[in-house]
Amino acid sequence: NAGVTQTPKFRVLKTGQSMTLLCAQDMNHEYMYWYRQDPGMGLRLIHYSVGEGTTAKGEVPDGYNVSRLKKQNFLLGLESAAPSQTSVYFCASSYLGGYSRTSGSSYNEQFFGPGTRLTVL
Amino acid sequence: SQQGEEDPQALSIQEGENATMNCSYKTSINNLQWYRQNSGRGLVHLILIRSNEREKHSGRLRVTLDTSKKSSSLLITASRAADTASYFCATVETGANNLFFGTGTRLTVIP
Repeated sequence: NAGVTQTPKFRVLKTGQSMTLLCAQDMNHEYMYWYRQDPGMGLRLIHYSVGEGTTAKGEVPDGYNVSRLKKQNFLLGLESAAPSQTSVYFCASSYLGGYSRTSGSSYNEQFFGPGTRLTVL
Repeated sequence: SQQGEEDPQALSIQEGENATMNCSYKTSINNLQWYRQNSGRGLVHLILIRSNEREKHSGRLRVTLDTSKKSSSLLITASRAADTASYFCATVETGANNLFFGTGTRLTVIP
């Protein structure tokens, strides 16, 4: 049981380049999230998904797109990277619908991946 | 804007001492959660307290919630060097599913 995994771990881009960050979870969670973490800012929600085929904007969605074609995967895309997108990106997932005796998780508890450190030059 | 604001921003204590971190938030919430982040790693869920609960314990952790003051505290008793990490509170607004994270408290436990 790998939990939440993220690919890649590190990446350096030039301004204007594009890339896709991949998040995968094997816990059969309905909800998935993408956050960015900047020094002194805590985590800010970029986009999230409440189920396969659905996505929604979070607090800081501009410059990013997402897709949830499969329940276990959530992709974050940067079409034209900018230096302001230099950050650490975290993916998370959560169980929907209350306490799960199987997983031991509680409503809205989020499970995080290890992060992707992205630098845009 | 973020829901939670932690206080203090940084805390340094000796091993064996207790550490207390506070969190204030702005709107009505469904629940409040605390997470730990070790340097260079993802966040790990510690404890969740619902809006109708006032206190909750988990091992060496004690969380309180005062909805009238819109504040919560996290107490770590008998701290260990391994507790060195950043601690974040996160709130779920009433009727919502998303978490809003605070800016975190950086805890250093000196052996």
